[in-house]
Amino acid sequence: DAGVIQSPRHEVTEMGQEVTLRCKPISGHDYLFWYRQTMMRGLELLIYFNNNVPIDDSGMPEDRFSAKMPNASFSTLKIQPSEPRDSAVYFCASSYGGGETQYFGPGTRLLVL
Amino acid sequence: DAKTTQPPSMDCAEGRAANLPCNHSTISGNEYVYWYRQIHSQGPQYIIHGLKNNETNEMASLIITEDRKSSTLILPHATLRDTAVYYCIVLKYYGQNFVFGPGTRLSVLP
Repeated sequence: DAGVIQSPRHEVTEMGQEVTLRCKPISGHDYLFWYRQTMMRGLELLIYFNNNVPIDDSGMPEDRFSAKMPNASFSTLKIQPSEPRDSAVYFCASSYGGGETQYFGPGTRLLVL
Repeated sequence: DAKTTQPPSMDCAEGRAANLPCNHSTISGNEYVYWYRQIHSQGPQYIIHGLKNNETNEMASLIITEDRKSSTLILPHATLRDTAVYYCIVLKYYGQNFVFGPGTRLSVLP
């Protein structure tokens, strides 16, 4: 298996623009997680899905952030409009059956100017 | 979920055992101890987890004290590739809200 796939790997955009991050979980996994990592706040869980349904979005910072999972093999995290403080590394992870092992993707490095 | 306390950094000589401590004094009976690590510029990687018994796998050993208020992750023969930030997390089994603290930055020195 190729592991969790994220795209793009790097994104540079200007303040006010819409940003869409993409994630393909490991085939057969039924949980998908979105995390954000910054120097100031460390690694934070934003939202997670189970069987494509959002279960806990309490970590989503504000209404500018939205996440969807239209099917078992694809998820998006959208920021609209983007702000410089959204600059971070965004990780997607997946797991099977709510077990102990979350497999993380390589991350998307977002820079908002 | 219980909070954890880890030293911010540690050094270890290559080939020696690396012992990374974690305090979780408020852990409850149904909470597990998980360890993940993050090598520079990569996503976190699962290492091991346990409830109250010591655990060992191909990567590491986990020693949990009898009162479960602290644990130690042991990398038996550290290599340069083990240089990473190591996170100790306490969570109910099948809980999903992983809270990653600042972790311990382990530097394996040649």
